[in-house]
Amino acid sequence: GAVVSQHPSWVICKSGTSVKIECRSLDFQATTMFWYRQFPKQSLMLMATSNEGSKATYEQGVEKDKFLINHASLTLSTLTVTSAHPEDSSFYICSARDNREGIYEQYFGPGTRLTVT
Amino acid sequence: GESVGLHLPTLSVQEGDNSIINCAYSNSASDYFIWYKQESGKGPQFIIDIRSNMDKRQGQRVTVLLNKTVKHLSLQIAATQPGDSAVYFCAENRGGNKLTFGGGTRVLVKP
Repeated sequence: GAVVSQHPSWVICKSGTSVKIECRSLDFQATTMFWYRQFPKQSLMLMATSNEGSKATYEQGVEKDKFLINHASLTLSTLTVTSAHPEDSSFYICSARDNREGIYEQYFGPGTRLTVT
Repeated sequence: GESVGLHLPTLSVQEGDNSIINCAYSNSASDYFIWYKQESGKGPQFIIDIRSNMDKRQGQRVTVLLNKTVKHLSLQIAATQPGDSAVYFCAENRGGNKLTFGGGTRVLVKP
């Protein structure tokens, strides 16, 4: 089946530093990937759509200069949280949509727990 | 819009009983709906989906019902098992393959 991985699975960083999270589709190609954020006991909130070879599109209220997204290949998207602050601590989840025609399903990664101290 | 809440509604169900989880969606133009299961500390796991031209779809032990008139979606789990304990989210495709997630329901299976 389609597998999406994320790295790291968890990370602790100091306030003011930057953290990069990777999202990989392991056995399929994904022109489009999505980044979500989830706070404890809350639902997933879409942050941005990552498009291979072009700029990401961000949801309203999400700072594009703070959450840098790069989708350099058909199997890899990265999210960099710049100048992280404690309020950025959250569970970050990516998903990838299979390029093949007729496939509507999005496959989710296992998530990355970010803690900013 | 997106659902945000500090407390997840909880459904407690006896092992072996059937579970019904409900979801109201917001966009009448949504054409694709999905149910996900999320265990603690993990990403969402696909359970079942349904397109807007259908009103019912069955999988293994699960059934999804779609009522477009009242914009309501439900997930039925037959013979609920301890491994079904998790948080369940409905999601709607609001265009451009963007998903809007519902607030979630926690299912607790009592032995």
